[in-house]
Amino acid sequence: SSELTQDPAVSVALGQTVRITCQGDSLRSYYASWYQQKPGQAPVLVIYGKNNRPSGIPDRFSGSSSGNTASLTITGAQAEDEADYYCNSRDSSGNPEGVFGGGTKLTVL
Amino acid sequence: QVQLQESGPGLVKPSQTLSLTCTVSGGSISSGSYYWSWIRQPAGKGLEWIGRIYTSGSTNYNPSLKSRVTISVDTSKNQFSLKLSSVTAADTAVYYCARRAYYYDSSGYIPYFDYWGQGTLVTVSS
Repeated sequence: SSELTQDPAVSVALGQTVRITCQGDSLRSYYASWYQQKPGQAPVLVIYGKNNRPSGIPDRFSGSSSGNTASLTITGAQAEDEADYYCNSRDSSGNPEGVFGGGTKLTVL
Repeated sequence: QVQLQESGPGLVKPSQTLSLTCTVSGGSISSGSYYWSWIRQPAGKGLEWIGRIYTSGSTNYNPSLKSRVTISVDTSKNQFSLKLSSVTAADTAVYYCARRAYYYDSSGYIPYFDYWGQGTLVTVSS
């Protein structure tokens, strides 16, 4: 079982703002990175570190952290943002690359 | 632009060894301070990190798979490889190779997977 907990599913109306969360004790000490995965495709990095976006990722994607919770916020969600989102961070299991959260399926209505 | 491409058999028999290779293009596997990782995803499920290798040959493995995993690197071919022994149906998954980058800031060490291969489905079945 994952030490990072994500809501299995979240929905948002087109153009509205949605927050996808990731909870875990390790997040009190470490940042999460976030990955978007569309059906049949490989994951794509969207946020890493405090709030960094790779080149090509729209600025509607942002990251934040508070206590044991990391959040990925999409401000003005678009239809193309419908995807699964995974967080990754270090954990206490001895796994040097940490663990991935179970993923959140985002539906844009 | 760095690109990664997995290759290998799509079907492996139970108890045998799964072997995959990741070919890196658009940059040398030896340049920069990167780890090269394998990650898998069973159908309809989440991501699981398998292991990683540095170009020096130093490796780290997921403790849950460590006894069955070997990752190696061939810098002359710009490739790294995965071997997973004694496979069962539970090892059926899409296998991804990925580059793990990092930087340091005031918070410390910040790792992230910045490039991924397209993935390859490996089915374990007789």
